[in-house]
Amino acid sequence: GENVEQHPSTLSVQEGDSAVIKCTYSDSASNYFPWYKQELGKGPQLIIDIRSNVGEKKDQRIAVTLNKTAKHFSLHITETQPEDSAVYFCAASDYQAGTALIFGKGTTLSVSS
Amino acid sequence: DTEVTQTPKHLVMGMTNKKSLKCEQHMGHRAMYWYKQKAKKPPELMFVYSYEKLSINESVPSRFSPECPNSSLLNLHLHALQPEDSALYLCASSQGGGLTGELFFGEGSRLTVL
Repeated sequence: GENVEQHPSTLSVQEGDSAVIKCTYSDSASNYFPWYKQELGKGPQLIIDIRSNVGEKKDQRIAVTLNKTAKHFSLHITETQPEDSAVYFCAASDYQAGTALIFGKGTTLSVSS
Repeated sequence: DTEVTQTPKHLVMGMTNKKSLKCEQHMGHRAMYWYKQKAKKPPELMFVYSYEKLSINESVPSRFSPECPNSSLLNLHLHALQPEDSALYLCASSQGGGLTGELFFGEGSRLTVL
């Protein structure tokens, strides 16, 4: 089955800096890679996703890159703000086959002002 | 309306109690999920209902019993739980019935088993 590794487990940055979180996956059949943000006391919320036919996707300050050959994908947050502080989870699944998402272990991002 | 609503937000129960967690969505989504989340861990999938039929049961103990009365409602019945079952229980939904696409999560029900 699929296994998703996520690093680092914690990340502290200064406001305005960039943050990068990396994930690797094991199953070459996986083709859908979403990123979820979980704020304290709330459920996870999708912030960006990418499918395997695309190498990069951007949405304002957030971008995700995918390297299918190396089986890794990364979340990039530029110009970080205190409200970016949260736990971020990467995930992977086979979109066509409709398999359930497998989550990474999460990264706690702290942005200090 | 893009919300998944879960009740209660907090629940404390003894090991001999019977209680239920409830989840509701009115987005017309056809798949609904129960996840369990321990502190500082990712959500773990428990059950999936697709078109109101149980499609995935991730070997969850029988003291957890899911129910999907209709396409908008999802319940999780709890009986004879153990202290290690204390966790945040998250409900989610997705548009299609095939487990694909964005998951919309509720805020969760925090369960404490004494």
